[in-house]
Amino acid sequence: NAGVMQNPRHLVRRRGQEARLRCSPMKGHSHVYWYRQLPEEGLKFMVYLQKENIIDESGMPKERFSAEFPKEGPSILRIQQVVRGDSAAYFCASSPDLFREQYFGPGTRLTVT
Amino acid sequence: QKEVEQDPGPLSVPEGAIVSLNCTYSNSAFQYFMWYRQYSRKGPELLMYTYSSGNKEDGRFTAQVDKSSKYISLFIRDSQPSDSATYLCATNVQGAQKLVFGQGTRLTINP
Repeated sequence: NAGVMQNPRHLVRRRGQEARLRCSPMKGHSHVYWYRQLPEEGLKFMVYLQKENIIDESGMPKERFSAEFPKEGPSILRIQQVVRGDSAAYFCASSPDLFREQYFGPGTRLTVT
Repeated sequence: QKEVEQDPGPLSVPEGAIVSLNCTYSNSAFQYFMWYRQYSRKGPELLMYTYSSGNKEDGRFTAQVDKSSKYISLFIRDSQPSDSATYLCATNVQGAQKLVFGQGTRLTINP
């Protein structure tokens, strides 16, 4: 049973470009979460999605960030007009149901130059 | 004040020692408690998941929750060099899916 898959694993973008991060949850999991880990800091929640719905986006920056989890295909975290402060590791997690343990992917390390 | 406090360490112990990792939290509404292990430049790996106060054991790992003191612990027995990693505690409020993490404790087990 494959785990949570994320791609790309490493992404380099210049300031002002767009970054697209993809996440395929574990088989049978319909709940997806995105977290960000800044250098020397813990993981911070960004957004929680179910298929075609954003359930909780209380951790998302108000501008430039968006997320989706379409009916078909992976969940996408999009960052428009990236700035140096967006450089971080972005992790996706999934769970099979509400109030169940969350399993994390390997992360995408975004570097903004 | 952070919602979940965790000593970042680093913590260095000899192989075979018992390791104690701890977190405190401030919100009495937190109901679920987790410990994750994260190797350098990898994703967090779930080690333990508990709900109630008390102990939960899984192999060499024991998770302990004391809701009255808002204190959670992870004990590692017979520690191995392969246990060297950053350990993250996490919790969430019943009815909310987002996890709140501690800063993580960097642990090194010396052969």
